[in-house]
Amino acid sequence: NAGVTQTPKFQVLKTGQSMTLQCAQDMNHNSMYWYRQDPGMGLRLIYYSASEGTTDKGEVPNGYNVSRLNKREFSLRLESAAPSQTSVYFCASSGTYRGLSEEQFFGPGTRLTVL
Amino acid sequence: GESVGLHLPTLSVQEGDNSIINCAYSNSASDYFIWYKQESGKGPQFIIDIRSNMDKRQGQRVTVLLNKTVKHLSLQIAATQPGDSAVYFCAENITPDKLIFGTGTRLQVFP
Repeated sequence: NAGVTQTPKFQVLKTGQSMTLQCAQDMNHNSMYWYRQDPGMGLRLIYYSASEGTTDKGEVPNGYNVSRLNKREFSLRLESAAPSQTSVYFCASSGTYRGLSEEQFFGPGTRLTVL
Repeated sequence: GESVGLHLPTLSVQEGDNSIINCAYSNSASDYFIWYKQESGKGPQFIIDIRSNMDKRQGQRVTVLLNKTVKHLSLQIAATQPGDSAVYFCAENITPDKLIFGTGTRLQVFP
């Protein structure tokens, strides 16, 4: 099992450009998440998807859109990148056991710089 | 490597000593708590979890303690090794699908 995979690993954008970050998991998890991590800020939830076909806003959704393409894949799109979106982006997934949530598994991250 | 948390609190310990990392959580209704380890340039890695109906759980060289009265969580690492050097995050499960992460503590292990 590859776990959670993310592409690309690194990206540099100019202000106003758009891009899509890709995430896939092979653990048959229902829930998937996108976080951003800035120095000294821990991880902040951008969007999540509790199941295929549903998405919900997290703590910092402005400037982002998501698509839950199928159970395996959850993408994050920046329509018009801004320097404030320079960050490390992590995708995660989690399952449930007897209705109780379990730990989230994280991908390796995408390091995005917006000039 | 990636700099994660330039201004994180730092715990420095000598190799072989025990480490205790503390975390205060925010929501008294949280019922699931997780400790993650993050090495430079990598994603967070699960260490151990605990549910609110327990006050202690042990893993291999790690123990998590939960004090619901004061909303405090701690991670104890026995016989700390150089490979334990990383940033450690606690996370609380406020709703079934949302984790809220603390800002993290950097653990430095000296030989």
